Amino acid sequence: GAVVSQHPSRVICKSGTSVKIECRSLDFQATTMFWYRQFPKQSLMLMATSNEGSKATYEQGVEKDKFLINHASLTLSTLTVTSAHPEDSSFYICSARDGGQGAGEAFFGQGTRLTVV
Amino acid sequence: AQSVTQLGSHVSVSEGALVLLRCNYSSSVPPYLFWYVQYPNQGLQLLLKYTSAATLVKGINGFEAEFKKSETSFHLTKPSAHMSDAAEYFCAVSDGNNDMRFGAGTRLTVKP
Repeated sequence: GAVVSQHPSRVICKSGTSVKIECRSLDFQATTMFWYRQFPKQSLMLMATSNEGSKATYEQGVEKDKFLINHASLTLSTLTVTSAHPEDSSFYICSARDGGQGAGEAFFGQGTRLTVV
Repeated sequence: AQSVTQLGSHVSVSEGALVLLRCNYSSSVPPYLFWYVQYPNQGLQLLLKYTSAATLVKGINGFEAEFKKSETSFHLTKPSAHMSDAAEYFCAVSDGNNDMRFGAGTRLTVKP
């Protein structure tokens, strides 16, 4: 199946700094990628939909100035957590769908564990 | 808008016993349904998906799920649990667009 690579897998940063997470589709083109946040022992919360060449669509309650998303190419989307605070510590997962809309399954990156100290 | 409800946040079974993880969906259009598995500190891996072909869908690792429109259900089953099946399982629904929504997840524990 298709592969989505997410980097880094773990990152520790100081409060007030920014962190960039990369999500790449390795063997297919993804016009749309999705960013999720997962709290311990909870489900995935969709943060935003990243569209290649245009602005991301954010879910209600997600601060777009806090979580900057860039989808500059068909194989790369980035999520930047700006001015990170301890409450931003979480597990972030990206996904991309292959094979079009609806029936196309989503392929997930391995996730990024962000710890803000 | 579509949504899924997973009944039971935690299911515990003995090794060799039947696994049944419940998922009910809500969708205004014919849905596409998915089951994913997540191991600790990892992304999600597709187990199986329903895309309006056969209502009984077979997936990896011996799992299968049956789409029942009358019950708006897509329960996941496995005849005999293995220790390696212990993980978090997510049901997801998608409509004709790119949007995919996940259930709250069910943590499966397998006892020796």
